[in-house]
Amino acid sequence: EIVMTQSPATLSVSPGERATLSCRASQSVSSNLAWYQQKPGQAPRLLIYGASTRATGIPARFSGSGSGTEFTLTISSLQSEDFAVYYCQQYNNWWTFGQGTKVEIK
Amino acid sequence: QVQLQESGPGLVKPSGTLSLTCAVSGGSISSSNWWSWIRQPPGKGLEWIGEIYHSGSTNYNPSLKSRVTISVDKSKNQFSLKLSSVTAADTAVYYCARNSAGPDYYYYMDVWGKGTTVTVSS
Repeated sequence: EIVMTQSPATLSVSPGERATLSCRASQSVSSNLAWYQQKPGQAPRLLIYGASTRATGIPARFSGSGSGTEFTLTISSLQSEDFAVYYCQQYNNWWTFGQGTKVEIK
Repeated sequence: QVQLQESGPGLVKPSGTLSLTCAVSGGSISSSNWWSWIRQPPGKGLEWIGEIYHSGSTNYNPSLKSRVTISVDKSKNQFSLKLSSVTAADTAVYYCARNSAGPDYYYYMDVWGKGTTVTVSS
């Protein structure tokens, strides 16, 4: 099983600031890495796939990078609606998720 | 656009079988997509349960494989989940989702149901 580890667990950021979230895979997943945003009481929403491709309708302030085992999600200027939990997910033989990073208001 | 809707009992007794259905609307379950079940225990992260193709081919999370059955009903445009021998640890929000692939065959889940809460309790 490929284990996905996200850091930090919680990130405190002021609106308008930049947020950088990390995701590490226990073995290479190439670029088969997706990022999701989840708000309380809602289903996850796809943000990024293929490590760096924004999903349809996702604002340009969201960007993804990395390959192999190290990945980053960057939110360039946090808006009020961006405070949420973010999950990374890999697909190899099957799907596994990271434990999530909560982005909270500082 | 494609929408997914989970349904099923919200309360299941310990040692019983959890049964849920995901109805697909706005598209066909016989498209070139796999369809997944994912769950989220209260206050915790996401766990993939398994997936199915319209042909009936399945893949399951090895940690749940002995208790999980996923099936498809093309005539009703839906797929279903059965989880047997449930315990309190199976209490969670259960989501269904559509698996898709980009042009470089990078996989992701792009359509999700709203989720349904299942509590295991006597």
